[in-house]
Amino acid sequence: KAGVTQTPRYLIKTRGQQVTLSCSPISGHRSVSWYQQTPGQGLQFLFEYFSETQRNKGNFPGRFSGRQFSNSRSEMNVSTLELGDSALYLCASSLAGGKGETQYFGPGTRLLVL
Amino acid sequence: GQNIDQPTEMTATEGAIVQINCTYQTSGFNGLFWYQQHAGEAPTFLSYNVLDGLEEKGRFSSFLSRSKGYSYLLLKELQMKDSASYLCAVRDPGNAGNMLTFGGGTRLMVKP
Repeated sequence: KAGVTQTPRYLIKTRGQQVTLSCSPISGHRSVSWYQQTPGQGLQFLFEYFSETQRNKGNFPGRFSGRQFSNSRSEMNVSTLELGDSALYLCASSLAGGKGETQYFGPGTRLLVL
Repeated sequence: GQNIDQPTEMTATEGAIVQINCTYQTSGFNGLFWYQQHAGEAPTFLSYNVLDGLEEKGRFSSFLSRSKGYSYLLLKELQMKDSASYLCAVRDPGNAGNMLTFGGGTRLMVKP
């Protein structure tokens, strides 16, 4: 079974631009979570989608948004990019996000904002 | 809120045993996960504890004490390939679904 895939793997943008990242979960997984990883803050939860609905949201500004499609694929968008948005963005999927379920991570998208 | 603490770095010798500690202070608790992350790669699942006690999986074991807000990951017969960051994460019980709060990670260096 194929793992979680994320595209693109690397991205360079400039301040003020916007970016869209894509995540395809493991086949059959319906819960998709997004995390931001930086050297200073570690891994931080952005949001989780299940059945095309945002179910949980972390403490990030409204510039960070996402959505999920009927095939469980998910996208996240960051508008008005800031230098501090440079990070590794990780997507993780699980069956339904239930208690005890393991989240499986994709390889991430490394975003550099100049 | 959740507060999760792990040592930043540890060094150990090939063939030895190392214990990586994780303490947490949370408003609730619904399970603790350990992940391994090699540099430049995605985190990979190692273990899950929701009840007190020890879970063993080959060379890796994880222990949980809910009353003490404490967990550890034990790695035996260390190999060079075990050099990686080890992430402790607690699942938030306040919401349906998946929301993990991660510690800062412990970078383990295994030396020959």
